[in-house]
Amino acid sequence: GAVVSQHPSWVICKSGTSVKIECRSLDFQATTMFWYRQFPKQSLMLMATSNEGSKATYEQGVEKDKFLINHASLTLSTLTVTSAHPEDSSFYICSARHGGQYFGPGTRLTVL
Amino acid sequence: QKEVEQDPGPLSVPEGAIVSLNCTYSNSAFQYFMWYRQYSRKGPELLMYTYSSGNKEDGRFTAQVDKSSKYISLFIRDSQPSDSATYLCAMRSGSGGGADGLTFGKGTHLIIQP
Repeated sequence: GAVVSQHPSWVICKSGTSVKIECRSLDFQATTMFWYRQFPKQSLMLMATSNEGSKATYEQGVEKDKFLINHASLTLSTLTVTSAHPEDSSFYICSARHGGQYFGPGTRLTVL
Repeated sequence: QKEVEQDPGPLSVPEGAIVSLNCTYSNSAFQYFMWYRQYSRKGPELLMYTYSSGNKEDGRFTAQVDKSSKYISLFIRDSQPSDSATYLCAMRSGSGGGADGLTFGKGTHLIIQP
């Protein structure tokens, strides 16, 4: 139990385009999901908390207009990186709470 | 000072050895403590989840929390080559209805030599 999936697993896009990443809880409902970013050889850094039916809460230094989060149902949260630039290239990972926090497999974004 | 400190390693030990992984933290509000295992280019996998001080055992894994020292540990007994991975400690406070995101250590890269 407590499986979280992400799609896509990797994406390459051109600078200036937008990319949408989906996070799904497969066998439980999650009113709250979290989005993290991990740069090479660095730890996971919390970007935002996604709340079902309400606005996301962003961590200090994370641009809410650049990283759009939608949590439209109890099993799905999406992160859209708008006008992506090479410095946005990273490993994006979502998680959902079910007792402990369970993480998806991550999405590797490369912006050319 | 970072909120969570963790030696990045690498830590290399022979197969069968007992492994000790540690984190220190500075925020006394942290009450929930977790250990994750992460393989390269994969999402973290939850290994242990503990609340407040004390010990918790699950198979070959034992987690210890000492809130008075702000120090947590993960012990792996009878280590196997398949245990080779990066181990991340993570923690959160108990406020906000329990919806807090996690604060992670940098991760320790563990290598188990066959």
